[in-house]
Amino acid sequence: DIQMTQSPSSLSASVGDRVTITCRASQSINNYLSWYQYKPGKAPRLLIYAASGLESGVPSRFSGSGSGTDFTLTISGLQPDDFASYYCLQTYNSARLTFGGGTRVEIK
Amino acid sequence: QVHLVQSGAEVKKPGASLRVSCKASGYSFTSYDMNWVRQAPGHGLEWIGRVNPHRGSTDYAENFQGRVTMTTDTSTGTAFLDLNSLRSGDTAVYYCAMAGHHYLKGSLDYWGQGTQVIVS
Repeated sequence: DIQMTQSPSSLSASVGDRVTITCRASQSINNYLSWYQYKPGKAPRLLIYAASGLESGVPSRFSGSGSGTDFTLTISGLQPDDFASYYCLQTYNSARLTFGGGTRVEIK
Repeated sequence: QVHLVQSGAEVKKPGASLRVSCKASGYSFTSYDMNWVRQAPGHGLEWIGRVNPHRGSTDYAENFQGRVTMTTDTSTGTAFLDLNSLRSGDTAVYYCAMAGHHYLKGSLDYWGQGTQVIVS
């Protein structure tokens, strides 16, 4: 299976901060990488598809980059609603999807 | 408009079996795989597997092999997740999800509301 290593596992930040989360794949996954926001009691929300595509309705402060094995999610100007957990997901091996371990973004 | 509506919360005893349903509407049910994902307390999102409603074929994560079965009823547009030999570690919220607009890259853009399962 393709392993997804996500870092950091948690971070503390203030409103207005720029936040960067990374995911590294154990092998090249081209751009078969998406990012999700998760809040307890709610369904995960797709933020970024195909590594850098902004999902419809998602604020432009969210951006994604990368290809191959290294990927980044950036939140430019953290807002109160952004305090949540974030996950990457590889879909290159469609028969064995794998999530990263997650990043919890907390209020400093 | 795509909707995925899941069955209600469940409380199960260890060793019991579980069935969660996911009724789809607003799209051609047989055209897209249905995935199942769970989130256990203190753990991250975990992909369980997927089912192709057209072919009935399935792929399961290694952690669930032998305990999980995914099926569909194309007449009602409903997907089912069956998990047996439940243990406390299966306590989680279970989600169905599909890649609709982004099916080429597999990004999961539609999700059910989640089903809370407690094994105790």
